[in-house]
Amino acid sequence: DAGVTQSPTHLIKTRGQQVTLRCSPKSGHDTVSWYQQALGQGPQFIFQYYEEEERQRGNFPDRFSGHQFPNYSSELNVNALLLGDSALYLCASSLLYDQETQYFGPGTRLLVL
Amino acid sequence: EDKVVQSPLSLVVHEGDTVTLNCSYEVTNFRSLLWYKQEKKAPTFLFMLTSSGIEKKSGRLSSILDKKELFSILNITATQTGDSAVYLCAVLRVSGNTPLVFGKGTRLSVIA
Repeated sequence: DAGVTQSPTHLIKTRGQQVTLRCSPKSGHDTVSWYQQALGQGPQFIFQYYEEEERQRGNFPDRFSGHQFPNYSSELNVNALLLGDSALYLCASSLLYDQETQYFGPGTRLLVL
Repeated sequence: EDKVVQSPLSLVVHEGDTVTLNCSYEVTNFRSLLWYKQEKKAPTFLFMLTSSGIEKKSGRLSSILDKKELFSILNITATQTGDSAVYLCAVLRVSGNTPLVFGKGTRLSVIA
């Protein structure tokens, strides 16, 4: 049983570019959450998707957008990249009504130059 | 504003020592408190605490929650080098636009 997978593992972009990160949830899970973890900080909630809809959103600008597909996989898109977007982006999957049990993927480390 | 504060932010101990990591919180709509271990990238689940005063144990790790004083502790006895990691505390909320609020973590380094 595959756990949560994310791609790519590492990414280097320049300011102003756009990036798409991908996440496949653990088998049987229907909810995907995205987090940003800057160096030396705890993960910060970006948004959560369920049934292909954004269900909840943290304090992130509209440059951050996402999508969930019918197979429950998800994408995180960031437009007009800033240096401050450099971070580890974590995806977590769960069942909607059991969010205590969130499984995290290995993350995508994004560096913006 | 909801917040989760962990202390200390970093800690260096020798193998065999016992450590206590602290987590205090001010979060509306509290549902449960979770501890995670983050070694390289993916945080892995350690404990979920919902009720005050009930200790959860797993091997050399244990944790307890005090809902009156709004804090939790994570104890690790007889530390090993493999315990070196960042330990994250997070509070799950019943409702609100941020379901899981994390602290900054405690970086534990265990030296031989």
